[in-house]
Amino acid sequence: GEDVEQSLFLSVREGDSSVINCTYTDSSSTYLYWYKQEPGAGLQLLTYIFSNMDMKQDQRLTVLLNKKDKHLSLRIADTQTGDSAIYFCAEFRGGKLIFGQGTELSVKP
Amino acid sequence: NAGVTQTPKFQVLKTGQSMTLQCAQDMNHNSMYWYRQDPGMGLRLIYYSASEGTTDKGEVPNGYNVSRLNKREFSLRLESAAPSQTSVYFCASWGASTDTQYFGPGTRLTVL
Repeated sequence: GEDVEQSLFLSVREGDSSVINCTYTDSSSTYLYWYKQEPGAGLQLLTYIFSNMDMKQDQRLTVLLNKKDKHLSLRIADTQTGDSAIYFCAEFRGGKLIFGQGTELSVKP
Repeated sequence: NAGVTQTPKFQVLKTGQSMTLQCAQDMNHNSMYWYRQDPGMGLRLIYYSASEGTTDKGEVPNGYNVSRLNKREFSLRLESAAPSQTSVYFCASWGASTDTQYFGPGTRLTVL
């Protein structure tokens, strides 16, 4: 299909790991991104991964890329209440960023 | 650096009114973008400008016009606002040296 797909909601308990999944469309996309949006705010770049990588780790964040299945995931270790937000994946395609619908992460104490 | 700035932050219009949303970036980026964000639909690209003097339609351009005034500024105009244009509008610019897109804080527009 043409769309970048994400599930809409995820709920976890504080201290657990969160895994947010995304499927994208273009196997030739060179960069794939994760953005975070807190309530009432703009989008903040969290991390990105080059298409020639399988994994990227940055402190509590781990990005996994499966190019064969066009599947991207974001794992947040030791999830905190401050991680509650909407998370968007995006692929760079045709000179533009194409975004998924966003996954709303709810962290319960 | 202020990054990407947008004005106004909030706006209420009546159906048929016109207005211009302003966006500016101070990072010397060539590419700039306008998105709208609606619940459950993510961000949809309205128009973009790959460089000064050029503009192209995105996914949802109907009802909008844009002007790339100079390298810094990219404005979005609603000539005759409709309730379907009630949304949050984000401007962004692309940093080729960092391969990342930077977003403004958004404009919350309500059309009655």
